Amino acid sequence: KAGVTQTPRYLIKTRGQQVTLSCSPISGHRSVSWYQQTPGQGLQFLFEYFSETQRNKGNFPGRFSGRQFSNSRSEMNVSTLELGDSALYLCASSLVPGSTYEQYFGPGTRLTVT
Amino acid sequence: QQQVKQSPQSLIVQKGGISIINCAYENTAFDYFPWYQQFPGKGPALLIAIRPDVSEKKEGRFTISFNKSAKQFSLHIMDSQPGDSATYFCAASTTPGSARQLTFGSGTQLTVLP
Repeated sequence: KAGVTQTPRYLIKTRGQQVTLSCSPISGHRSVSWYQQTPGQGLQFLFEYFSETQRNKGNFPGRFSGRQFSNSRSEMNVSTLELGDSALYLCASSLVPGSTYEQYFGPGTRLTVT
Repeated sequence: QQQVKQSPQSLIVQKGGISIINCAYENTAFDYFPWYQQFPGKGPALLIAIRPDVSEKKEGRFTISFNKSAKQFSLHIMDSQPGDSATYFCAASTTPGSARQLTFGSGTQLTVLP
């Protein structure tokens, strides 16, 4: 069974631009969560989607948004990029939220903002 | 309240030795405690997880010890191997309703010397 896939793997953007990252969950998984990983702040929860609805949101500004499609694929968008947005963005999938606890992570998208 | 404190930040162990990583939490609503292993350039991989109704869980060379009264849990890696060299993250989550998010520790960089 294929794992969580994320595209692109690497991205370089300029301050002020916007970016869209994509995540395809494991087949059959319907819940997708996004995390930001930085050396300073570690792994921080961004948001979780299930059935095309945002179920939970972390403490990030409104520049960070996401959505989920009917096939469970998810995208996250960051608008008006700042240097501090440089990070590894990780997507994790699970069967459904709550009823099973195992989250499986993708390899991440490395975003560099210059 | 939502923090998970992890120690040590880095750990060097000889091949065949025991690696011990500790985590402490404050939020008594946490009901799931996974450990993740992350290699450079990869996303975190679920290693082993425990629920608060058991005090220990073992899977191969990996053991989680859980002390509910002290609000602490630890990962023990027996017979540590150079291939275990990675960053280890403890995490904790609650299940408010049907949404869930993982709160991660700051990570431990484990190096196993040959």
